[in-house]
Amino acid sequence: GAGVSQSPRYKVAKRGQDVALRCDPISGHVSLFWYQQALGQGPEFLTYFQNEAQLDKSGLPSDRFFAERPEGSVSTLKIQRTQQEDSAVYLCASSPLYEQYFGPGTRLTVT
Amino acid sequence: DAKTTQPPSMDCAEGRAANLPCNHSTISGNEYVYWYRQIHSQGPQYIIHGLKNNETNEMASLIITEDRKSSTLILPHATLRDTAVYYCIVRVAERGGSNYKLTFGKGTLLTVNP
Repeated sequence: GAGVSQSPRYKVAKRGQDVALRCDPISGHVSLFWYQQALGQGPEFLTYFQNEAQLDKSGLPSDRFFAERPEGSVSTLKIQRTQQEDSAVYLCASSPLYEQYFGPGTRLTVT
Repeated sequence: DAKTTQPPSMDCAEGRAANLPCNHSTISGNEYVYWYRQIHSQGPQYIIHGLKNNETNEMASLIITEDRKSSTLILPHATLRDTAVYYCIVRVAERGGSNYKLTFGKGTLLTVNP
């Protein structure tokens, strides 16, 4: 079946631009996670949704980061006024129970 | 969540078993051991998880010591496609436990050589 998909796969933004990253989870998975992965590091948790409710946003690095999942399915991670330190791979994962299924990620490069 | 310690890298010959160790000496009674791997330029992939009993699935086996302070992931017949970073993670898994984040370390880079 279809896995988690993310778009775009690659995004180049100029410093100060706003970006929106999309995640399509596996159908029926109520839980959705966003992670940020810097080069050479393991993924780091950003935020978690259960259906449309954002239950944990403790990992969002600043108020420039905003995530939503209005209908409990597709999720969007928005970064306002991008900075160079935002350059990373952004991973989305959905979960049916214990294991998480990850998408391929969006590589964001801020120039 | 308890912290884990893994060697930064390991090598394995193609067709041989790969045994990846993980120390988690501060693991709590309600924490599970999870293994994920990440092939270059892909998202992490779930492999297996366990509480205290050994587990096996189509991908791998997980051996957890009796005191639960360490574990070993075994890939019985490694192939070149198993070259990846392998992450050992301990995490509380409560009822309906999908609602807990994964805390990744740096993992072990396993290189399978022809």
